[in-house]
Amino acid sequence: SAVISQKPSRDICQRGTSLTIQCQVDSQVTMMFWYRQQPGQSLTLIATANQGSEATYESGFVIDKFPISRPNLTFSTLTVSNMSPEDSSIYLCSVRTSGGGYEQYFGPGTRLTVT
Amino acid sequence: LAKTTQPISMDSYEGQEVNITCSHNNIATNDYITWYQQFPSQGPRFIIQGYKTKVTNEVASLFIPADRKSSTLSLPRVSLSDTAVYYCLVGDRAAGNKLTFGGGTRVLVKP
Repeated sequence: SAVISQKPSRDICQRGTSLTIQCQVDSQVTMMFWYRQQPGQSLTLIATANQGSEATYESGFVIDKFPISRPNLTFSTLTVSNMSPEDSSIYLCSVRTSGGGYEQYFGPGTRLTVT
Repeated sequence: LAKTTQPISMDSYEGQEVNITCSHNNIATNDYITWYQQFPSQGPRFIIQGYKTKVTNEVASLFIPADRKSSTLSLPRVSLSDTAVYYCLVGDRAAGNKLTFGGGTRVLVKP
């Protein structure tokens, strides 16, 4: 298993600004993922962040809007750039531990409101 | 990844058994079936995973018929704290890093 923390837990931001969300894991993991969950909706994968390589973005998400860093095996950041009200969502990071099955472990999420 | 279909919502009462059926007609040979639970204001939590027949753990049971085109998550004797959204996912475990979440089933347990 893995214990994941995220900072901040929530924030209210003005449109046009950027917010960087941090994800910290209590163990070394190869694969980290960033998801978005809009109010009342299911989760949508934004990108996969592997240490030592560029993040891989899903259709509809681009690096300029959601730059990701993965400096080591326990940490990652997601930046939401040039925010608009449509970016108001919960952003979650998750990890898959090595040697495990299909299960992933999720952080508590960062609730972002853009005004 | 195989598409899944599950009921949007279900109501139940404390002490009852809740069964949530998920359809995955296009499941591939290498695909596993996995269920996640999400409480309000929390990230999803892995519940159970299976390939065929029946799997049981301390939280739930997963029933998978021989054709694997559907699966049923069974929650025994639910309590109010089991109120959550339950997601059924299907994917290749070997390549299963990408989780594709469907709509999920919102289960409301009433007193």
